[in-house]
Amino acid sequence: QKEVEQDPGPLSVPEGAIVSLNCTYSNSAFQYFMWYRQYSRKGPELLMYTYSSGNKEDGRFTAQVDKSSKYISLFIRDSQPSDSATYLCAMFSGTSYGKLTFGQGTILTVHP
Amino acid sequence: NAGVTQTPKFQVLKTGQSMTLQCAQDMNHNSMYWYRQDPGMGLRLIYYSASEGTTDKGEVPNGYNVSRLNKREFSLRLESAAPSQTSVYFCASSRDRGTEKLFFGSGTQLSVL
Repeated sequence: QKEVEQDPGPLSVPEGAIVSLNCTYSNSAFQYFMWYRQYSRKGPELLMYTYSSGNKEDGRFTAQVDKSSKYISLFIRDSQPSDSATYLCAMFSGTSYGKLTFGQGTILTVHP
Repeated sequence: NAGVTQTPKFQVLKTGQSMTLQCAQDMNHNSMYWYRQDPGMGLRLIYYSASEGTTDKGEVPNGYNVSRLNKREFSLRLESAAPSQTSVYFCASSRDRGTEKLFFGSGTQLSVL
């Protein structure tokens, strides 16, 4: 079993929809949780960064962490065609330096 | 501001050939990383360098070597390429140890025939 599981999709939604992307993990030592966005033929870019449990909002994006359930989510409100990309969750413990663990990525398409 | 620059963008090798992937960052970051990305496997860490002069193995280091040439540059070498090394390779950097806020290059697509 992988340490981080992410539904690869693909996920296709109409413009304006609310999108929910999710990851589950098994390592209870993870303390830092991230979401990266990767456009086709580009490198990932950091989208959201959270520490421990709770919610963090940035514009149309909300990251949610539930450590008791070992479950993290990224919500995208009012989705746009420009949000079409692969979304990767990532996490690490804070003590295992360099050991960032990524999910497989979810391919999202937002159609006009 | 270039960020993280990788060369080459594409490369085709024959089994047994060697090559070096180059990476340079202009953000004055201390830490640099090499990842590979394969379908269904996500990103996997090959090697990383916490600071100039240090390197450490990641999850999948076999068949690779690295050199942290200076603070800006971190190269990845394949001494004898194998088809299993066909992948997209990403270099990344981060300012601080332990935050793992990574900035990625645009990748090198490598095919080994």
